[in-house]
Amino acid sequence: GAVVSQHPSWVICKSGTSVKIECRSLDFQATTMFWYRQFPKQSLMLMATSNEGSKATYEQGVEKDKFLINHASLTLSTLTVTSAHPEDSSFYICSASTGSNYGYTFGSGTRLTVV
Amino acid sequence: DQQVKQNSPSLSVQEGRISILNCDYTNSMFDYFLWYKKYPAEGPTFLISISSIKDKNEDGRFTVFLNKSAKHLSLHIVPSQPGDSAVYFCAASVVAGNTPLVFGKGTRLSVIA
Repeated sequence: GAVVSQHPSWVICKSGTSVKIECRSLDFQATTMFWYRQFPKQSLMLMATSNEGSKATYEQGVEKDKFLINHASLTLSTLTVTSAHPEDSSFYICSASTGSNYGYTFGSGTRLTVV
Repeated sequence: DQQVKQNSPSLSVQEGRISILNCDYTNSMFDYFLWYKKYPAEGPTFLISISSIKDKNEDGRFTVFLNKSAKHLSLHIVPSQPGDSAVYFCAASVVAGNTPLVFGKGTRLSVIA
């Protein structure tokens, strides 16, 4: 089946630094990638939608200059958290549209802790 | 305003019995619904889905029922097994695969041996 590989699975960084999270579709071409964020005991909240070769569409309240999304190829999308702060600590998950009947495959998630 | 609601944060069921997880939605444009199972610090795992043109879909121990008039769906797991213990998320979209999923807050299922 369709697989999305997400790295790193966890990362600890200092305040003010930037962190890059990668999602790769391993055996299919992902024209659309969705980035979600989950706080403890909360739902997965959509942050942005990215289409290959075009700018990402951000949800209301998500700072595009802080959460940089690049989707330069059909198999790779990256999310960079710039100038990270402790309140950015969260679980970030990507999801790719596969075009199949059920349409979505998720990465394994990245636990970001900003200290 | 939450478009997908899972009003029960937790559910405990005896092994071998039926687990019923409920989900309500408000957006009548949703036409595709999915259930995911999730463990802490892992991505969601797809379980089963249903299109709005159906009212039931079954896959092994998992059955999803959709009541469009009530904007309600439910996931039945029978028989429940201890390995089913996880958080279950209901999700919905307008067009399968091309629009983002909207998730409920999840229900933590505990299956007791």
